[in-house]
Amino acid sequence: QSALTQPRSVSGSPGQSVTISCTGTSSDVGGYNYVSWYQQHPGKAPKLMIYDVTKRPSGVPDRFSGSKSGNTASLTISGLQAEDEADYYCCSYAGYYTQVFGGGTKLTVL
Amino acid sequence: EVQLVESGGGLVQPGRSLRLSCAASGFTFDDYAMSWVRQPPGKGLEWVSSISWSSGTIGYADSVKGRFTISRDNAMKSLFLQMNSLRAEDTALYYCGKGYIDDWYLDLWGRGTLVTVSS
Repeated sequence: QSALTQPRSVSGSPGQSVTISCTGTSSDVGGYNYVSWYQQHPGKAPKLMIYDVTKRPSGVPDRFSGSKSGNTASLTISGLQAEDEADYYCCSYAGYYTQVFGGGTKLTVL
Repeated sequence: EVQLVESGGGLVQPGRSLRLSCAASGFTFDDYAMSWVRQPPGKGLEWVSSISWSSGTIGYADSVKGRFTISRDNAMKSLFLQMNSLRAEDTALYYCGKGYIDDWYLDLWGRGTLVTVSS
C-alpha cells in the first residue's frame, strides 16, 4: 500500500486548463477502474469530484474531468476559476477491500 | 440534516488506546459502507479502514492492521474505530466517510476528530 504519486503543486491562470497526474501500479490504478478524485479546501473536509475514473457526482461542474491510461490517472480542470484553488487527492481501490490515496497536489490559480 | 459527527479524539500517551465514534443522521445508515480516513497535521489524506453495510467485509491499511478495529452498530447509526497500541505517527485528524455507489467512494464526510499521541 504505497501512496500514489502526484505532483506537489500545479498552477494556472483563470480560464486556462490544468491537468493533475496520479501514478500508481498495476495493483491499484492500473488494475481497477476505481479511481476517484477529492478536492479539499483549507480547513474543510474533502469533497468527491470524480469516481469510477471519469464520472462526476451530481453537482460537480463538467469543467472537471477524469481519465486513465495504464497505471496513471489524470484530473483535468478546464476554465479555471478562483474557487478551484485547493488541494486535490487521487484515490484508487487496491484490492481486498483496501484503497490508497495520492500524496496530494496543491492547485494555485494565478 | 444529512451529516456525520465524529467524537472521541484527544491527547493520549504512546501505547495507550482510544475509541472513536461517528454518529450518522439524515440517511439510511445501514444501506451504506463506511470508512475512516486520517490526515496528519499539514499533510495528506491516508485511508485507514472500511466496513461494508453488513460488517461482512472489512479492510485495513497496513499501517494500522492488527492495532485498529473498525465496527458499526446499524441500530444506533454509528461507526466506531478502536485504536490500540497508539504511536506518535497515528497523530492525525480522523474523518469518517459514507460510501457512495461503490463502497470505497466517500460522498459525505464529517468534520473530523483530532487524535494526538504524545507523552
